[in-house]
Amino acid sequence: GENVEQHPSTLSVQEGDSAVIKCTYSDSASNYFPWYKQELGKRPQLIIDIRSNVGEKKDQRIAVTLNKTAKHFSLHITETQPEDSAVYFCAASKNTGNQFYFGTGTSLTVIP
Amino acid sequence: KAGVTQTPRYLIKTRGQQVTLSCSPISGHRSVSWYQQTPGQGLQFLFEYFSETQRNKGNFPGRFSGRQFSNSRSEMNVSTLELGDSALYLCASSVNQETQYFGPGTRLLVL
Repeated sequence: GENVEQHPSTLSVQEGDSAVIKCTYSDSASNYFPWYKQELGKRPQLIIDIRSNVGEKKDQRIAVTLNKTAKHFSLHITETQPEDSAVYFCAASKNTGNQFYFGTGTSLTVIP
Repeated sequence: KAGVTQTPRYLIKTRGQQVTLSCSPISGHRSVSWYQQTPGQGLQFLFEYFSETQRNKGNFPGRFSGRQFSNSRSEMNVSTLELGDSALYLCASSVNQETQYFGPGTRLLVL
């Protein structure tokens, strides 16, 4: 089955700096890669996603890049703010139903 | 539309007991997935139901089972509870094979 690895497990940045979280996947058939943000005590919320036919997607301060050849994808957050502090999860799936494989999460702390 | 709801929100059980958790998806969503979230293992896929049929299954023992009703509501059952089953159980609903919307979770503590 699919194996998704996520790095780093913790990340601290100064407010205004950029944050980058990286994930790798093993199954070349995976074709959908969402990123979720989970604040303490709350449910995971989708923040951005990318499909395998796209190399990059951006939404305001958040961007995701995908390298299908290397089987890795990354989340980029620019101009970080304290409210970006949360745990971020990457995931991978393929079109065989909603079976998602999640990374182990990155705890991001933005220091004011 | 109302979001995904889960009941109960908190549950305390003892080893050997069984438990049933409930998930009501967003109206119109026919797919419901269940996940176990623990600090050490992250989010692990349990199973997915679509139109009352289990469509996908993760690598959990047979003590974990589920079902889906005609109104798309889903239940998850864990029998013969073990200490290691203590976790946050999340369900997520989807209208397609992509965007999943999570419920608030049921926090299960096994003593």
